[in-house]
Amino acid sequence: TQLLEQSPQFLSIQEGENLTVYCNSSSVFSSLQWYRQEPGEGPVLLVTVVTGGEVKKLKRLTFQFGDARKDSSLHITAAQTGDTGLYLCAGARGNKLVFGAGTILRVKS
Amino acid sequence: NAGVTQTPKFQVLKTGQSMTLQCAQDMNHEYMSWYRQDPGMGLRLIHYSVGAGITDQGEVPNGYNVSRSTTEDFPLRLLSAAPSQTSVYFCASSYSFESSYNEQFFGPGTRLTVL
Repeated sequence: TQLLEQSPQFLSIQEGENLTVYCNSSSVFSSLQWYRQEPGEGPVLLVTVVTGGEVKKLKRLTFQFGDARKDSSLHITAAQTGDTGLYLCAGARGNKLVFGAGTILRVKS
Repeated sequence: NAGVTQTPKFQVLKTGQSMTLQCAQDMNHEYMSWYRQDPGMGLRLIHYSVGAGITDQGEVPNGYNVSRSTTEDFPLRLLSAAPSQTSVYFCASSYSFESSYNEQFFGPGTRLTVL
């Protein structure tokens, strides 16, 4: 079983639509990160959230950390084909990073 | 800076063979780690190091060895390859793990197939 559960596992939408990806756990994390990975490459950090209830915006992407620091969400407004990729959440526990299984996003033109 | 480099990019092994996956970083990062990525399972931590001379086990360490003789290098050794070790392996580094803001910088990955 995954310590961090991501949903949905796969999302296929049209360009211009909005979407939300969820990352849930029963455990508390000191911080939570979101990464994006393209085929054949390593993950690249999008954002780190640290404080419960924190909201961060990165252009059309909005990240939220739950009040209890157990869950997070990623909302994309007006998705573009360039947003296509694998989105991974990762929680920090001590000196280890625990990853969710990821959400594959496909944005069609 | 080259960032995090990994070699080889692709490798095919026969069951029972041994090999070393190389990882190097030129950012003077204290923390380095190895992950494997399998479909539907995200990245799972194999081994990590918080500094030269210090290593520790992650979530899935069996069948793998690591060492950290220098800050720059963190090789991963497969002792006797098994088909279950077929995966994509990523090396990552970060400045340190004392701060919650640490960004992990990932290498391009090594795709390993064990026949």
